[in-house]
Amino acid sequence: DQQVKQNSPSLSVQEGRISILNCDYTNSMFDYFLWYKKYPAEGPTFLISISSIKDKNEDGRFTVFLNKSAKHLSLHIVPSQPGDSAVYFCAASDTGTASKLTFGTGTRLQVTL
Amino acid sequence: DAGVTQSPTHLIKTRGQQVTLRCSPKSGHDTVSWYQQALGQGPQFIFQYYEEEERQRGNFPDRFSGHQFPNYSSELNVNALLLGDSALYLCASSFRGWGPESDIQYFGAGTRLSVL
Repeated sequence: DQQVKQNSPSLSVQEGRISILNCDYTNSMFDYFLWYKKYPAEGPTFLISISSIKDKNEDGRFTVFLNKSAKHLSLHIVPSQPGDSAVYFCAASDTGTASKLTFGTGTRLQVTL
Repeated sequence: DAGVTQSPTHLIKTRGQQVTLRCSPKSGHDTVSWYQQALGQGPQFIFQYYEEEERQRGNFPDRFSGHQFPNYSSELNVNALLLGDSALYLCASSFRGWGPESDIQYFGAGTRLSVL
């Protein structure tokens, strides 16, 4: 039972353009959401988070949007850079904090020159 | 400032054996969580340790057990290994408190366990 779904296994975007990564969830008890980035041979690195009381959170080039009614969140990266090429994981928690995370299967982003 | 360190990086075991994986948290962190990542999947939460006690547990059998030491480092033990236990095991550390950085989990690079 996949409670957090990332339906696009891969995404290719040109440098300078916007990257949009999507994530859907089924558990209505999830109240905290995060995005992690993972490079090969490294552990996932925290990118940005959002609480269920918000619908948007920005941090530099990264913005996360949350649509609770649709049980959908997305990560926007503007502008995309070659160093953004990595696997991006969406994660959710039902504890109100960033602990006990349920992860999606990841989306591999390739930013091309 | 050392981040989360895990040892060993790779391990090969046979079915039925037992294995112990180790994790040192990031400096200043007091909470350790363990995750299992099978090939092509996202990490799956095993359990979390705080103040030397298991505080939260995911959907894993009792063959998976852990320990946290007074210096906040942690071990993950898996008994009676099965072929399906082959995976990347990730340790994550965090600190409990208030503020935007609390509970954010910082991950190590993982231990790759192969069960033959």
